[in-house]
Formats: sequence, C-alpha cells, structure tokens
Amino acid sequence: AQKITQTQPGMFVQEKEAVTLDCTYDTSDPSYGLFWYKQPSSGEMIFLIYQGSYDQQNATEGRYSLNFQKARKSANLVISASQLGDSAMYFCAMREGLPDFGNEKLTFGTGTRLTIIP
Amino acid sequence: KAGVTQTPRYLIKTRGQQVTLSCSPISGHRSVSWYQQTPGQGLQFLFEYFSETQRNKGNFPGRFSGRQFSNSRSEMNVSTLELGDSALYLCASSQNRVNTEAFFGQGTRLTVV
Repeated sequence: AQKITQTQPGMFVQEKEAVTLDCTYDTSDPSYGLFWYKQPSSGEMIFLIYQGSYDQQNATEGRYSLNFQKARKSANLVISASQLGDSAMYFCAMREGLPDFGNEKLTFGTGTRLTIIP
Repeated sequence: KAGVTQTPRYLIKTRGQQVTLSCSPISGHRSVSWYQQTPGQGLQFLFEYFSETQRNKGNFPGRFSGRQFSNSRSEMNVSTLELGDSALYLCASSQNRVNTEAFFGQGTRLTVV
C-alpha cells in the first residue's frame, strides 16, 4: 500500500487564487512528521513546511499552510494568493519512526505538477 | 549561510563504470540522507548517515554505497553502472535527525549510456 498518496497529478490555477494540494498518508506509528517540498524545473527540492504528528496547531509559513486532519490522515498544502513563481512540482513526504532507533527516512508521494496561469 | 552543495551537477558515464557523488551539508548539520529520483520510481530513499555512521538504508543493491567524513561531508558511490541508474540523485542535510527540517541540494543528474 502507498504510504503517501497525492491524487492530483496536475493542477492549473489562475494567478492570485488560492490552491489546495491534497496529500493522504498511511502509518501506524504514533510519532511521525509530514513535509511539503517544491521542486522547480532546476531539480532542487525546496522545503516549504513541516507538521509533526503531535502538533496541536496547523503549521503555517508565509503563504503556505498545512491543513492537518489527523483522524482522516490528511495533510493538504494550501497556497494562498498564488504567484507565477509557484509553478513547480510539489511533493508531500512523511518521516516515520523514532530517531534514536535509526529508522528515520522520508517517504515521498508521486507529486503534483502545479501550473499557475497568468 | 551556505546551503547543501552537491557536486558535480551533471555526469555522463558508460555502463559498467563507477561513479562517486559528493554532498556537503549545511554547516553544523550532522545528518546526510541520499535519495534517487527517477520518472518511473519517483523519489526513493538510499541511505542516511549521522556522525560517520550509516543509520538507515533503503532497498537498493549493494552496488550503491556511501560514507560520511568527520566534517559531515558525504559521498555516494555506485559501482558497475547500469542504464537504470540514470537519475537525479539528491542529498538532504538536517541538524540532528530528519526532524522538522531537511534541506536538499540541487542534485546530481547522472546519465548512464
């Protein structure tokens, strides 16, 4: 079974509109972290936002916010007031496990290609 | 503060050769992870090093190996290259563990011909 599922292969959004990128995850570990990354055509993975499984509040970073619904195992990324520079691939990733046991790694979804239309 | 630096950016090798990729993490970061990104398989975890010790390894053949030096710089080696090893290899660094931040380099694009 997929641990991270991103169901939107591609999205087209008008500039200045808000956009929600979907991510659902599957884990039985009580301690985990969820990440969102942006990958422009240059290839670099740019860290956007992080949500820990025990965090009570939804994470926010500037125009990015993470809509964390733990019971539904959902961690959607919301980008407010989209800009042309937001056009890129977006990846959701999950860290499972406790660091002291050396089993930490990031599992990535398949990504969503976001295109902002002027 | 300098980011994660990967060298070289691009590499072309022939089948059967070996290759070494380098990753210099952000200053003060002790954890370095490696990932392979291909159109077919997406992003897959290779291994993670912390304080010169490999802490975790993904499901890759033994041809893929790595190491970390005392200054936290890491190298990844692939021996007996196959066409399927063509990929973008990404390195991520984090301060202690993959906790709340993991910063990636720009990657090394390896093409095997």
